[in-house]
Amino acid sequence: QVQLVQSGAEVKKPGASVKVSCKASAYIFTTYAIHWVRQAPGQRLEWMGWINAGNGNTKYSQNFQVRVTFTRDTSAKTAYMELSSLRSEDTAVYYCASGDRFDYWGQGTLVTVSS
Amino acid sequence: SYELTQPPSVSVSPGQTATITCSGDKLGDKYACWYQQKPGQSPVLVMYQDTKRPSGIPERFSGSKSGNTATLTISGTQAMDEADYYCQAWDSSTVVFGGGTKLTVL
Repeated sequence: QVQLVQSGAEVKKPGASVKVSCKASAYIFTTYAIHWVRQAPGQRLEWMGWINAGNGNTKYSQNFQVRVTFTRDTSAKTAYMELSSLRSEDTAVYYCASGDRFDYWGQGTLVTVSS
Repeated sequence: SYELTQPPSVSVSPGQTATITCSGDKLGDKYACWYQQKPGQSPVLVMYQDTKRPSGIPERFSGSKSGNTATLTISGTQAMDEADYYCQAWDSSTVVFGGGTKLTVL
């Protein structure tokens, strides 16, 4: 089955880091890049970048380049998004997405940043 | 940075036609995609390459583009179509989403 399954909700304090996982089906992992998109409450979708699961190459949005790191574990067919120096404005649902046209989306991971 | 502009909201009566626009500089030279997002759910692709409908998306959804404006049209709008709609395009190897349009079916 073609799918993306993300890790569960997280609560973090300001200044901490969060790492969200996205387990992909074999088809997705070997065929497409995996993108990360976030959505703050009531806000638009915001693209964070992508990782090529095959070779590990990454592309980061300028808005996140300093604080975000994408990695992957090929044996687990899992991609990871780590965001550091969290602030309250990072409270959002984080999605992984893939496919030629973002055909496939994970269920989203709510990250709450609160002291 | 590149921007895509959508109207914040569109209202339509059931059975009528809803049109949602998306404009951007040189959008005419790019492909636009559209996503539907219902509350608490992940986005769903409803249109790609301006005018192509993915399998499983009802025929009442159609897409078009004129100049630098892409349009998503929903004919015979149903209550189930009430959602947020986002356009998306690529610009210089980055992905850009529009601000989203809340479609209300009154």
